[in-house]
Amino acid sequence: QVQLVQSEAEVRKPGSSVKVSCEVSGGTFDSYGFSWVRQAPGQGLEWMGGIIPIFDTTNYAQKFQGRVTITAAAFRTTVYMELNGLRSEDTAVYYCARGGYELFSALDLWGQGTLVTVSS
Amino acid sequence: QSALTQSASVSGSPGQSITISCTGTSSDIGGYKYVSWYQQSPGKAPKLLIYDVTYRPSGVSDRFSGSKSGNTASLTISGLQAEDEADYYCSSYRSGGTLVVFGGGTRLTVL
Repeated sequence: QVQLVQSEAEVRKPGSSVKVSCEVSGGTFDSYGFSWVRQAPGQGLEWMGGIIPIFDTTNYAQKFQGRVTITAAAFRTTVYMELNGLRSEDTAVYYCARGGYELFSALDLWGQGTLVTVSS
Repeated sequence: QSALTQSASVSGSPGQSITISCTGTSSDIGGYKYVSWYQQSPGKAPKLLIYDVTYRPSGVSDRFSGSKSGNTASLTISGLQAEDEADYYCSSYRSGGTLVVFGGGTRLTVL
């Protein structure tokens, strides 16, 4: 059974960076695109950006341009999301999710989420 | 403020039908067929219910259905069950900016 397995919770100080991983376990990697979606405590879902590993193309939400980097390591079937310049408002659960070759495709498989806490 | 507008809450009794609406613009919902709906139970990751406005992934109950009219998409849940109590989010492709936008979510309470 295919699963997206994310890295463990992180605590960071304001101004620092965090890198969250998402491993595709038990399935193919190259046939899909992967998005990152975050959810602040008690808030809704927010799309941050995504990557299509086979083409190594990325697209980022305007809000996160210049602050987020999404990469993929095909040999590890793992996707990464790095967020820089962390502030308290970045405290959230970060999800990776699988979609199609178009990054606006529906997200049919989600990771378990990674809580990132930004606090001094 | 979310890009797509959903009502904050809706409620219904077991067996009833309810509809959740999601309003956008001609740059997203109104202009394209790439509307999705997700169900999120407390402490869980979202689950895909509807894609491309009306299609259900394999394994999703046919009690869930989607539609669109103009700039508004709708999710209808028929034969409400206690297990349907959750948050529901709409999502759409948007042209000319951020590729994917979500609604603010609607909390469904089964009375």
